[in-house]
Amino acid sequence: GAVVSQHPSWVICKSGTSVKIECRSLDFQATTMFWYRQFPKQSLMLMATSNEGSKATYEQGVEKDKFLINHASLTLSTLTVTSAHPEDSSFYICSAQTSDSYNEQFFGPGTRLTVL
Amino acid sequence: AQTVTQSQPEMSVQEAETVTLSCTYDTSENNYYLFWYKQPPSRQMILVIRQEAYKQQNATENRFSVNFQKAAKSFSLKISDSQLGDTAMYFCAFMKSINKFYFGSGTKLNVKP
Repeated sequence: GAVVSQHPSWVICKSGTSVKIECRSLDFQATTMFWYRQFPKQSLMLMATSNEGSKATYEQGVEKDKFLINHASLTLSTLTVTSAHPEDSSFYICSAQTSDSYNEQFFGPGTRLTVL
Repeated sequence: AQTVTQSQPEMSVQEAETVTLSCTYDTSENNYYLFWYKQPPSRQMILVIRQEAYKQQNATENRFSVNFQKAAKSFSLKISDSQLGDTAMYFCAFMKSINKFYFGSGTKLNVKP
């Protein structure tokens, strides 16, 4: 089956620092990757959509300068939280889609970010 | 805008019994997809079942089945013969042609032994 990994699974950082989260499709090529944010006991909120080789499309209310997304290859997308603050603490989940995945998204295991 | 509503924040069911989780959605689209995802304590999102809006037949996957009522914009999930491993958060999701997912707020299902 299609496997998506995320690294790291858990990261703690100091306020003001930047954190990079990687999302990889291990056994398929992902034409599109998505980044979600999930607060405790809440649903997944789409942050942005990224297509390989193009700029990401951000959802309304998501700061593109705060959450930098790069989709440099068909198997890797990165989310960088710049100048992180405690309110950025959350669970970040990526998903990946292929051109023939019948509109299914394959989800990564998520990354828990804690900003002190 | 698309909205997905799950009106049951939490539900409990005895092992081996049947439970139905509700989901309604609002859209002006005619072609779309509906999904139920399971999120166990590990937080890994797992696809449970998928329904294409153009198909009248309700989708079924082993113990999981849906009741898709397009006119009513309703998409409920029935879990038969509930098992302890079914304990999880269940999210209903809507996707239209541009492949963006919209998730409901989730229903926490607790299967009791």
